[in-house]
Amino acid sequence: DAKTTQPPSMDCAEGRAANLPCNHSTISGNEYVYWYRQIHSQGPQYIIHGLKNNETNEMASLIITEDRKSSTLILPHATLRDTAVYYCIVRDPTGANNLFFGTGTRLTVIP
Amino acid sequence: DAGVIQSPRHEVTEMGQEVTLRCKPISGHDYLFWYRQTMMRGLELLIYFNNNVPIDDSGMPEDRFSAKMPNASFSTLKIQPSEPRDSAVYFCASSKAGTRETQYFGPGTRLLVL
Repeated sequence: DAKTTQPPSMDCAEGRAANLPCNHSTISGNEYVYWYRQIHSQGPQYIIHGLKNNETNEMASLIITEDRKSSTLILPHATLRDTAVYYCIVRDPTGANNLFFGTGTRLTVIP
Repeated sequence: DAGVIQSPRHEVTEMGQEVTLRCKPISGHDYLFWYRQTMMRGLELLIYFNNNVPIDDSGMPEDRFSAKMPNASFSTLKIQPSEPRDSAVYFCASSKAGTRETQYFGPGTRLLVL
């Protein structure tokens, strides 16, 4: 599976958009980009995933570059409850089932 | 749906004792996963099941760890004997076939081995 690189931490003001980047320069054609987050003392929570088109759901938007070597998770109006560790994961869903979470980005939303 | 249910939520035991963690996946899900999370190693996959059959247990640290899934609605992770280095948060997750990467996690069991 392709390795991902994320900044270890980011801050965002409450009410502003949080843009979390992820680099996955070795991604292959069959691999999807998935985002999960883990709020303190809770289990990881699925956010969104995509292959090459931008995706949006009730939680977030996912922007994938045309060459698919990087992506950005956007939380349009961050709230204090969005403070969490965000994990970018690249996986081929037809391959062996092993989600590698890495170290993620610790997002702190500041009041 | 109640989501993935894990019990106990907290467990404190002494070294050498047997520990059994329990998980009830979301009804209708075909895959069940056991993860362990520590500060040093992050979140690691231990084992996963498909239709109650263990598929990949390469993440199980050693023979002291065992996992079973006797039916579609119940799984256990057992540590016997437990050691202080087993102290961690253990998560269970489940997913449907075809969307197996969209895993739904339980609240975890926080294990402390003294």
